[in-house]
Amino acid sequence: ELKVEQNPLFLSMQEGKNYTIYCNYSTTSDRLYWYRQDPGKSLESLFVLLSNGAVKQEGRLMASLDTKARLSTLHITAAVHDLSATYFCAVVRVVSGGGADGLTFGKGTHLIIQP
Amino acid sequence: DAGVIQSPRHEVTEMGQEVTLRCKLISGHNSLFWYRQTMMRGLELLIYFNNNVPIDDSGMPEDRFSAKMPNASFSTLKIQPSEPRDSAVYFCASSHSRRDRGSGYTFGSGTRLTVV
Repeated sequence: ELKVEQNPLFLSMQEGKNYTIYCNYSTTSDRLYWYRQDPGKSLESLFVLLSNGAVKQEGRLMASLDTKARLSTLHITAAVHDLSATYFCAVVRVVSGGGADGLTFGKGTHLIIQP
Repeated sequence: DAGVIQSPRHEVTEMGQEVTLRCKLISGHNSLFWYRQTMMRGLELLIYFNNNVPIDDSGMPEDRFSAKMPNASFSTLKIQPSEPRDSAVYFCASSHSRRDRGSGYTFGSGTRLTVV
């Protein structure tokens, strides 16, 4: 059974600081996703990481993937209040023969950025 | 592209009543996923379809839950009879099944279900 663990689950930080959210998963996968969710809203796709060593950046957020360690990180640089949200990582199981498979989500990291 | 469209946005019903949630896929997508989100259990995959065929329904909690894809662009999730513990936000998501497309999963706005 594929398990996805995020840490921390709750994070309160000040504007201007840097921090990293970690995502570990238990079995082989070739795709990892990061999503953002604002209260009462849907999930917004942030990054899709498709290979070992993949790194993607968008603004103050940078995501990386190490498939050997089964670890992805989401790094926040010089945080601003607008980044307050819940961040989820999600992993797709490797399915033989192709075809889409469902995402298994971590519990999410509830991030609060205070002025 | 209108995105994944879910209806209703909010549903309040009495215990024992039948509830039907609806989802319209993004045009061109052929995979459909139903998720449930609660504070206690997080986001859980209930069932998914590829090309209208159910692939994995192991996440469906009980026989009270059923899902269908009557055509390539539309799906329903039915709960009958509903119970208070079914209260949650239900999301559907669509994707394309071709793995070489590296496609993402697009989520609908969700249906917030309250069973009283």
